[in-house]
Amino acid sequence: ILNVEQSPQSLHVQEGDSTNFTCSFPSSNFYALHWYRWETAKSPEALFVMTLNGDEKKKGRISATLNTKEGYSYLYIKGSQPEDSATYLCAFKGGSWGKLQFGAGTQVVVTP
Amino acid sequence: NAGVTQTPKFQVLKTGQSMTLQCAQDMNHEYMSWYRQDPGMGLRLIHYSVGAGITDQGEVPNGYNVSRSTTEDFPLRLLSAAPSQTSVYFCASSLKGTSRTEAFFGQGTRLTVV
Repeated sequence: ILNVEQSPQSLHVQEGDSTNFTCSFPSSNFYALHWYRWETAKSPEALFVMTLNGDEKKKGRISATLNTKEGYSYLYIKGSQPEDSATYLCAFKGGSWGKLQFGAGTQVVVTP
Repeated sequence: NAGVTQTPKFQVLKTGQSMTLQCAQDMNHEYMSWYRQDPGMGLRLIHYSVGAGITDQGEVPNGYNVSRSTTEDFPLRLLSAAPSQTSVYFCASSLKGTSRTEAFFGQGTRLTVV
């Protein structure tokens, strides 16, 4: 059962605009929340591993926040560029031995 | 440093044939897993292992077998291929039990069962 949900499924962004999207996950037995960037014909690559409620992580123009009490995380892209076009996956880990459960992803298309 | 090496990249099977997808990692990761990726469904976990000699089922284990005789290798066996197993398969590995638990993925295997 996929109880890690991402929304929206896809979005189109103009170059230079900022955008954000959501990952929701179970609020119980939380261990970590991962974000991955997945470009077409490549393998997913980790962006962030978030473990603490209130965590904020940043890598260049991309940042993420975490709310473990209510079970959601936001990923933000500031000033989107065409190279940001990818599918962004979140994954929930419940417990240090827990399985990594992936959401279905948000596909981002940035048009010049 | 090779990371996660997954072979083959592409494979076509006939219904009923068996095959093994190979996965090896050189990062001394305890945790290894196999996922399949289908349109609109994200990555679904097939089987995983938390160390040599220990394996467990994921969400969609039927029709697949795994074993973990060494830390480095985690092969996935398709016992009798079916068209429903047409998919892209990814192997991943990670450390367990620490904050740096991000998964490292192989390059994927595109499998078509006809």
